[in-house]
Amino acid sequence: DQQVKQNSPSLSVQEGRISILNCDYTNSMFDYFLWYKKYPAEGPTFLISISSIKDKNEDGRFTVFLNKSAKHLSLHIVPSQPGDSAVYFCAAKGNGNKLVFGAGTILRVKS
Amino acid sequence: DTAVSQTPKYLVTQMGNDKSIKCEQNLGHDTMYWYKQDSKKFLKIMFSYNNKELIINETVPNRFSPKSPDKAHLNLHINSLELGDSAVYFCASSLAGNQPQHFGDGTRLSIL
Repeated sequence: DQQVKQNSPSLSVQEGRISILNCDYTNSMFDYFLWYKKYPAEGPTFLISISSIKDKNEDGRFTVFLNKSAKHLSLHIVPSQPGDSAVYFCAAKGNGNKLVFGAGTILRVKS
Repeated sequence: DTAVSQTPKYLVTQMGNDKSIKCEQNLGHDTMYWYKQDSKKFLKIMFSYNNKELIINETVPNRFSPKSPDKAHLNLHINSLELGDSAVYFCASSLAGNQPQHFGDGTRLSIL
């Protein structure tokens, strides 16, 4: 039972353009959402988060949007850079400290 | 300086053996976690400790036993290893429950 879904296994974007990574969730009790970035042979690195009381959070080139009614969040990267090429995981937190992760989306930024 | 460090990075062993993976964090965090990343790439929580006390224990076989000697360390001991235990195991820590978790680089466990 996948409570957090990232339906696009991969995404390819030209350098300088916008990358949009999507995530859907099913559990309405989730109240905190995070995006992690992962390079090969390394652990996930925290990127940006958003609380369920907000609909947008921005940090430099990264913006996360949350649509609670649709149970959908997205990560926008503008402008995309080759160093952004990695696997991006969406994660959600409900009761307690447990994070539920999606399967990840591989982002390739072409120069 | 590595914030969350796990050893070993790679572990290859025979079925039936007992092995341990060590994890240490130097961030001063109170909460530590163990995750398993299976062949489908999902990261799934296994255990969480807060200040040496077990607070999350997912449906994990009894062969897996976490041990936290102090709040900076959370080790994972696995008895009677099985083929299905092959995965990448990640340790993580956070300042508190609502804070982002910081991950180690993972331990790739391969069972022959």
